[in-house]
Amino acid sequence: AQSVAQPEDQVNVAEGNPLTVKCTYSVSGNPYLFWYVQYPNRGLQFLLKYITGDNLVKGSYGFEAEFNKSQTSFHLKKPSALVSDSALYFCAVRDTLAGQNFVFGPGTRLSVLP
Amino acid sequence: GAGVSQSPRYKVAKRGQDVALRCDPISGHVSLFWYQQALGQGPEFLTYFQNEAQLDKSGLPSDRFFAERPEGSVSTLKIQRTQQEDSAVYLCASSSLTTVWETQYFGPGTRLLVL
Repeated sequence: AQSVAQPEDQVNVAEGNPLTVKCTYSVSGNPYLFWYVQYPNRGLQFLLKYITGDNLVKGSYGFEAEFNKSQTSFHLKKPSALVSDSALYFCAVRDTLAGQNFVFGPGTRLSVLP
Repeated sequence: GAGVSQSPRYKVAKRGQDVALRCDPISGHVSLFWYQQALGQGPEFLTYFQNEAQLDKSGLPSDRFFAERPEGSVSTLKIQRTQQEDSAVYLCASSSLTTVWETQYFGPGTRLLVL
């Protein structure tokens, strides 16, 4: 069965500092990995995804994520955090041997402090 | 272009009432998904449509939950005899293709509160 873990409920970082939001996954087949961001009272917005190829994926708003197959991780990163990045971040996985749906992690709340 | 829209945005129901939640996917999108997001948790899959065919309903929590997409565009999620544990945000998502790497685009959700 597919599963996603986001080990940190909350991440605090100062504006201008680099940020990392962690994600690890478990699948039976090959993983397709996604990051979404959720602002209050809004739906999930797509940030980036890993399908195949280069392990470093670049996405929207300056975010990037690194796929690490040996560690089964897909951590989200940004070199310089903005206050406006404060939101709830979800990692999701799709398994080539499972259904069409995403399996989401529990979410990590990012707070960027001015 | 227009994104995924959902209505109503908020719904308050008395326990035992039936509710219907609507999703308008992005025009031309083949795949449509419903997810349930409880407070403080990640979304959980409910059901999946490819055009008008409901190909996966393994996530529906009980037979009180029913979804349809009769013409392959708009979808309705119906909950009969609502219970307090049904209180959650119901998210709809659509994608243009059926491949597993296709991005899903989410609507703003319907927040259901059952009293």
